[in-house]
Amino acid sequence: GAGVSQSPSNKVTEKGKDVELRCDPISGHTALYWYRQSLGQGLEFLIYFQGNSAPDKSGLPSDRFSAERTGGSVSTLTIQRTQQEDSAVYLCASSLVRGEGTNEKLFFGSGTQLSVL
Amino acid sequence: QKEVEQDPGPLSVPEGAIVSLNCTYSNSAFQYFMWYRQYSRKGPELLMYTYSSGNKEDGRFTAQVDKSSKYISLFIRDSQPSDSATYLCAMSKAAGNKLTFGGGTRVLVKP
Repeated sequence: GAGVSQSPSNKVTEKGKDVELRCDPISGHTALYWYRQSLGQGLEFLIYFQGNSAPDKSGLPSDRFSAERTGGSVSTLTIQRTQQEDSAVYLCASSLVRGEGTNEKLFFGSGTQLSVL
Repeated sequence: QKEVEQDPGPLSVPEGAIVSLNCTYSNSAFQYFMWYRQYSRKGPELLMYTYSSGNKEDGRFTAQVDKSSKYISLFIRDSQPSDSATYLCAMSKAAGNKLTFGGGTRVLVKP
């Protein structure tokens, strides 16, 4: 079956431009996450959507970052007025949350490599 | 100080050796502990999952959690060159909660 799909796989942009990154989660998965991974670093949490609940935006580094999830499925991460420090791999993951004590397995996409020149 | 600490490596071992990886953490609220494997230019994939303290074995992989010491480990037996990857520990406070990742340890298994 199809996994988590992210597009584009690579994005090169100029400083100050806006970019949109797209994530198609696995069908039926209720939870969707965005993480950022800088070169040689671990994953930095950005934002989390779960069903119809208000998203957890606690990881967004600045107000230039925003994300939405339409119809409980596709998500778009938008970065406005990009800066060079925004260069990183942006990873999306989805999961099916079944309750406490259960095995919640995150399925990751291959990411979008963003390069801000 | 980061919530989850992990030695970045690289950790280089000969084929067939045991790979030993670990993470320490500071927040005692973490209850779910995971290990992910990440190949170059790919997203992480879940290897092992443990709820609360204890050991779990799956094939060549063994995960251990010691909540009293805030320390988790992953052991890979009979390592293969295909095990060469970055291994990330991750943990969360509750099901459906965001995961907090370690920085990852790069492992190289030499033939």
